[in-house]
Amino acid sequence: GAGVSQSPRYKVAKRGQDVALRCDPISGHVSLFWYQQALGQGPEFLTYFQNEAQLDKSGLPSDRFFAERPEGSVSTLKIQRTQQEDSAVYLCASSLVLAGGVKFFGPGTRLTVL
Amino acid sequence: SQQGEEDPQALSIQEGENATMNCSYKTSINNLQWYRQNSGRGLVHLILIRSNEREKHSGRLRVTLDTSKKSSSLLITASRAADTASYFCATFYNQGGKLIFGQGTELSVKP
Repeated sequence: GAGVSQSPRYKVAKRGQDVALRCDPISGHVSLFWYQQALGQGPEFLTYFQNEAQLDKSGLPSDRFFAERPEGSVSTLKIQRTQQEDSAVYLCASSLVLAGGVKFFGPGTRLTVL
Repeated sequence: SQQGEEDPQALSIQEGENATMNCSYKTSINNLQWYRQNSGRGLVHLILIRSNEREKHSGRLRVTLDTSKKSSSLLITASRAADTASYFCATFYNQGGKLIFGQGTELSVKP
C-alpha cells in the first residue's frame, strides 16, 4: 500500500548502543512527525519537519536524540548511547501540507533497550 | 507533557451498546482530533473538529466540542467487537507542528 512505513519494526539494543530508526512517509507529504509512545500512554511529540527543515525539536528528550530528513522525504531518528528509559514505540506520521491537519501514522518501531 | 485527559481510562460494553469517551484539555486550540489504535498497530485518524465547530458526524461516530469547557466527547453508536481499541484525543493549537495526545481510553466491546 501507499501508507507510512517504518523500519525496523522491532529493535533490541544493549544499553549504550546507537540505533537508527527509519521512516518512509506517504509520497508527496510535506510534513513529517516523530512521536514516542510508552506502554499504556498516549504518544508524546518529539520533532517535526516541513520538507527538509526541522521546524520543531522541542520534544526530543536529550541531546542523545537526533532526527534528520535531508532530502525532504525519508527521515531517520537516531538515538545515541541508548538507555533503558528509551524503550518505547517510536511512531512516525506524515501529513499532506498543514501541520495541524490529519496525520497518517506508520506502524511504529518497538525499541527495547536491555 | 500531555495536555489532554481522557475519561474513562477504560470502558467495557456489550456489542450494540453506545460508547462515550470524554476528553479535556488545558489551552485554547485550533482543532481537536480523535484517533484509534488497535493493539500493536499504528494510530488511525477518525475525525477532526475545528475550534469553531460544535458537532461533527462520521458514520457511527459523533464528536462534540465545547471550547468554553475545554472538553470534547466521542460517541460510538451501535458498537461492534471490531471497535475494541484505544481511543485518543489530540489537540493542535498552532504552535509548531505539535499534536498533543491524551492518555487514551481503552474500549472493550464484548460480542
